[in-house]
Amino acid sequence: QQQVKQSPQSLIVQKGGIPIINCAYENTAFDYFPWYQQFPGKGPALLIAIRPDVSEKKEGRFTISFNKSAKQFSLHIMDSQPGDSATYFCAAGIIQGAQKLVFGQGTRLTINP
Amino acid sequence: GAVVSQHPSWVICKSGTSVKIECRSLDFQATTMFWYRQFPKQSLMLMATSNEGSKATYEQGVEKDKFLINHASLTLSTLTVTSAHPEDSSFYICSARGGSWGTNTEAFFGQGTRLTVV
Repeated sequence: QQQVKQSPQSLIVQKGGIPIINCAYENTAFDYFPWYQQFPGKGPALLIAIRPDVSEKKEGRFTISFNKSAKQFSLHIMDSQPGDSATYFCAAGIIQGAQKLVFGQGTRLTINP
Repeated sequence: GAVVSQHPSWVICKSGTSVKIECRSLDFQATTMFWYRQFPKQSLMLMATSNEGSKATYEQGVEKDKFLINHASLTLSTLTVTSAHPEDSSFYICSARGGSWGTNTEAFFGQGTRLTVV
């Protein structure tokens, strides 16, 4: 019940395309859903996060869509660029507490020029 | 965002020796710090959670005597891998969050430490 399932494992998109990465969770107590971007040999960096009281959040070219009833959330990257090539992790946690995050398995995204 | 600095970025040590990794929050007070381990092309696995001045809480399956965590101040936590063996070779990442218990503050990650035990 603590798992967060992420798909796809890898994704290749042409420049300008809109890659979509999906995550699903089981624990209904989760109320914080961040997405992280990680480049090789670096730590993850927070991209964008959402709470369950909204269905969509947009920051720049990154958008999170959230479906509370389906217990799913997804990341969309608009106008993708080669510099967006990285591994993306979704996560879920509980705000009221230590905010211990459960991470998805990661998606290796490649944006071809 | 806030800055979390991890040191060293990479370290090579001999089997049987101990290695200390430092995690510092540079511009905020980190009430909670987390230590993760990441194998190549895999996700982050939480090893332990530590609150300043308290003993760390270890995740199931993580040996507390092997991975010693100290969170003695609001800006510094250390992870010591004792009697390291080649299977301990991995990428270790810390993250830190400020704010009081239950408040909505995000966690920031360090740049990670690549440990190679030979």
